[in-house]
Amino acid sequence: AQSVTQLGSHVSVSEGALVLLRCNYSSSVPPYLFWYVQYPNQGLQLLLKYTSAATLVKGINGFEAEFKKSETSFHLTKPSAHMSDAAEYFCAVRENQGGKLIFGQGTELSVKP
Amino acid sequence: GAGVSQSPSNKVTEKGKDVELRCDPISGHTALYWYRQSLGQGLEFLIYFQGNSAPDKSGLPSDRFSAERTGGSVSTLTIQRTQQEDSAVYLCASSLRVAGHNEQFFGPGTRLTVL
Repeated sequence: AQSVTQLGSHVSVSEGALVLLRCNYSSSVPPYLFWYVQYPNQGLQLLLKYTSAATLVKGINGFEAEFKKSETSFHLTKPSAHMSDAAEYFCAVRENQGGKLIFGQGTELSVKP
Repeated sequence: GAGVSQSPSNKVTEKGKDVELRCDPISGHTALYWYRQSLGQGLEFLIYFQGNSAPDKSGLPSDRFSAERTGGSVSTLTIQRTQQEDSAVYLCASSLRVAGHNEQFFGPGTRLTVL
């Protein structure tokens, strides 16, 4: 069965610092991988997705993620954090059959001024 | 519509009552998904529809939970004889198709509180 592990339930960075949110997946076949962001009292918004076209994926709001098959990782990064990036971030893997998303436990990002 | 909509946005009910949660997907999206988000369990898949059929109901936690979709559009999630552990945010998502890299667009959710 596919699964997703996000290391760190809470990450705190200073404004302007690098953001690194970790995600590891388990899958027996090349997966579809997604990062979603959830702002308080809102639904989930797609940041970016990996679909095997390129290992480095660029998303919205300056975020990007790199698919590393050898490490079964799909870490999310942003060079310079903004206060508006404070939110909860979810990594998800999509089953090839049926399409349901399997989510990690989420990482809450705090940005200090 | 422009996005996925869900109603009600908040629902407070008493233990033992039945509740219905509604989801209006993006027009033309054939796939519709229900998830549940709770503090202890994170984001969990409940059920998905392709058209009006539900090929995967594996995430429904008990037979008190059921869902239907009519006309390939609106879906209703029904919880019978609600329990306190049913308190959570119920999220609906839709996508153009089931397979492949199709993005799932999420609604704002229904926050259910069972007293």
